Amino acid sequence: GESVGLHLPTLSVQEGDNSIINCAYSNSASDYFIWYKQESGKGPQFIIDIRSNMDKRQGQRVTVLLNKTVKHLSLQIAATQPGDSAVYFCAEKASGTYKYIFGTGTRLKVLA
Amino acid sequence: DSGVTQTPKHLITATGQRVTLRCSPRSGDLSVYWYQQSLDQGLQFLIQYYNGEERAKGNILERFSAQQFPDLHSELNLSSLELGDSALYFCASTREGDNEQFFGPGTRLTVL
Repeated sequence: GESVGLHLPTLSVQEGDNSIINCAYSNSASDYFIWYKQESGKGPQFIIDIRSNMDKRQGQRVTVLLNKTVKHLSLQIAATQPGDSAVYFCAEKASGTYKYIFGTGTRLKVLA
Repeated sequence: DSGVTQTPKHLITATGQRVTLRCSPRSGDLSVYWYQQSLDQGLQFLIQYYNGEERAKGNILERFSAQQFPDLHSELNLSSLELGDSALYFCASTREGDNEQFFGPGTRLTVL
């Protein structure tokens, strides 16, 4: 069954190419950011996080970039694979709070 | 498998009814978060509990309530259900001092 709705922005990428998924966050006081992957019928799964004292963090095949000046976050996936097809969410949290605010999500479709 | 369990997986009920959704966090996790995911929206934070106490409140309706029990499992109670309450409901848990949330598989609620 589907996890999210039909009105998400969609990014279609050829298998093997790099993907870049963008997110604009809302709160200038946010100091912690996370990217989640949600496959159909499953709960969100943590991919990578970054704190506001950094502007770049790398994981396995993934890189998160943070631009605090324009309140922008991006997720780069290298050598995109069919298993990367999912909905990707960014989330933000402000220091001293326990509330996570999620973005609306982007659907990534990997074309064979 | 995140280690977070949710029951039931699916729930179909009628308007005006009341339901209870259950969540068991990962072993050792003291915090439980509840989220609602509707078709036309992203993940909306509802409420957070830490070791039995309410810690943060989000966009939770007055018809909804939650609690966390001494064994750390949590229940989300939804009453006077409306058609618009149809959604996926996720819980997530975190460890003390850790920001990474682990999500359960969700409960899909359908209100007819």
